[in-house]
Amino acid sequence: DAGVIQSPRHEVTEMGQEVTLRCKPISGHNSLFWYRQTMMRGLELLIYFNNNVPIDDSGMPEDRFSAKMPNASFSTLKIQPSEPRDSAVYFCASSLIAGTSYEQYFGPGTRLTVT
Amino acid sequence: GQSLEQPSEVTAVEGAIVQINCTYQTSGFYGLSWYQQHDGGAPTFLSYNALDGLEETGRFSSFLSRSDSYGYLLLQELQMKDSASYFCAVGGNYQLIWGAGTKLIIKP
Repeated sequence: DAGVIQSPRHEVTEMGQEVTLRCKPISGHNSLFWYRQTMMRGLELLIYFNNNVPIDDSGMPEDRFSAKMPNASFSTLKIQPSEPRDSAVYFCASSLIAGTSYEQYFGPGTRLTVT
Repeated sequence: GQSLEQPSEVTAVEGAIVQINCTYQTSGFYGLSWYQQHDGGAPTFLSYNALDGLEETGRFSSFLSRSDSYGYLLLQELQMKDSASYFCAVGGNYQLIWGAGTKLIIKP
């Protein structure tokens, strides 16, 4: 398997622009997670899906952030409008939740810079 | 509330042994995981303990004591490539609660 795929790997945009990050989870995994990582705040869980359904979006910072998972092989995280404080590395991870297995597989991340 | 405590930084010498501790306070505990992250990379899974005791995987071992809400990661025969950040994470309700990470610095 190719692992979790994220695109783009790097994104530089201006404040106020819309940003869309994309993720393809590992085939057969039933859970998908979006994380944000910064030096100041560490690794933060933004939202996670189970069987394509959003289970917990309490980590989404504000209404400017939205996430969708239209099918088992694709998810997007959208920021509209973007702000400089959104600059971070955004990771997508997938997992096969079975019993008490909590091994998550991370994609390479998208480094977002908002100027 | 839910929290995990781990040291922010640990320094060790190449070839030595180092232990990274993690204490947690969470609801719905299902197990303790450890992840490694190199600078500029993504977290990668190292180990998972659901039951008390020691799990060994090559040079890495992980320990859990549920009664003490405590675990540790033990790295033996340290190599320069082990320089990275190490995160403990507690599983509960289908998601992980993450510690802030421990930066391991290895000196030759």
